[in-house]
Amino acid sequence: DIQMTQSPSTLSASVGDTVTITCRASQNIYSWLAWYQQKPGKTPKLLIFRASNLESGVPSRFSGSGSGTEFTLTISSLQPDDFATYYCLQYDTFHSFGQGTNLAIK
Amino acid sequence: EVQLVQSGAEVKKPGESLKISCTGSGYIFAAYWIGWVRQMPGKGLEWMGIIYPGDFDTRYSSSFRGQVTISVDKSLSTAYLQLTSLEASDTAIYYCARRAISTDVTRGHFDFWGRGTPVTVSS
Repeated sequence: DIQMTQSPSTLSASVGDTVTITCRASQNIYSWLAWYQQKPGKTPKLLIFRASNLESGVPSRFSGSGSGTEFTLTISSLQPDDFATYYCLQYDTFHSFGQGTNLAIK
Repeated sequence: EVQLVQSGAEVKKPGESLKISCTGSGYIFAAYWIGWVRQMPGKGLEWMGIIYPGDFDTRYSSSFRGQVTISVDKSLSTAYLQLTSLEASDTAIYYCARRAISTDVTRGHFDFWGRGTPVTVSS
């Protein structure tokens, strides 16, 4: 199974900050990576697919980059609605999620 | 509009069995893989397995193989997740999700999700 290592597990930031979350794959997954946002009690929401493609309706302050084994999700100019937990998902070989990053208000 | 409607919350006793359903609508159900994801209380997302309604091809995560059974009834546009010999550690929310069709037909992220079925196992 492909292991996804996501970091940091917790991140504190303020409104207006720019933050970056990293996912590393245990083997080459090319660009088969997605990012999701989940709020408490809610279903995961797709943000980015194929490493850097923004899902329709997602604000442009969200961006993704990377290929191979290292990927990043960047959120620019944080808004109050962005404080949530973020997960990466690899879908090169079946599926596996990162452990999640809890983005909290500083 | 694509929708995945899951069955309602369940409360079970240890040792009992459970079958959760996920009914798709607004798209050609047989053409898209349906995956299942577990989320234990306060924990992250775990991919359990996936099924293709078109030919019943089913794949499981090594963590869940032998522990759960995924099935589908194409005539009802419904996928199922069956858990047997329930334990307290099976207490979780179980999500179904549709795998998107990408440029590589063998790969796809999850684009639509059900709302989740909360399962509580307690004596």
